[in-house]
Amino acid sequence: GAVVSQHPSRVICKSGTSVKIECRSLDFQATTMFWYRQFPKQSLMLMATSNEGSKATYEQGVEKDKFLINHASLTLSTLTVTSAHPEDSSFYICSAPRGNSYEQYFGPGTRLTVT
Amino acid sequence: SQQGEEDPQALSIQEGENATMNCSYKTSINNLQWYRQNSGRGLVHLILIRSNEREKHSGRLRVTLDTSKKSSSLLITASRAADTASYFCAMGGGTSYGKLTFGQGTILTVHP
Repeated sequence: GAVVSQHPSRVICKSGTSVKIECRSLDFQATTMFWYRQFPKQSLMLMATSNEGSKATYEQGVEKDKFLINHASLTLSTLTVTSAHPEDSSFYICSAPRGNSYEQYFGPGTRLTVT
Repeated sequence: SQQGEEDPQALSIQEGENATMNCSYKTSINNLQWYRQNSGRGLVHLILIRSNEREKHSGRLRVTLDTSKKSSSLLITASRAADTASYFCAMGGGTSYGKLTFGQGTILTVHP
């Protein structure tokens, strides 16, 4: 089956620093990837749609200057949380559809803790 | 994106029993999917039902969709302790291809 990886799986950073999270599709190409965040015991909230070769599309209320997304290749999208604050602590998950499938393949998630 | 609603929020059953989770949504959809999430992990796709389908089966899973009521249900038969996880419905389609809107989730606990 299709596999999506994320790196790192866990990261702890100090307030004010930036953190980059990578999302890779391992055995298929993904022109579109999606970034979600999930707070404890809550559902996934879509943050943005990452488009290969063009700008990301952000959901309402998501600061594009704070959550920088770069989709530089057909297998890699990165999410950079800039000037992180404790309220940015969350579980960040990416997903990608394979081909024209509606089904999404999810990465294992990245646990971000900002101290 | 507007989330769907799921009920119950939590469900606790014994092994061998059936588990039913319900999902309601508000906007029009192209498809509805169910995902499973083990604690602290990513999501795993379980089953997809298209808007023109009413019922679908996959192993011990049965999904129904009623577009007139904007609702879906997931039935897990003969549950096992390994089925313990959070289950989310996700609505797809509309104007944005591939974009999913998730329900609030049901936490299922199956006791051995």
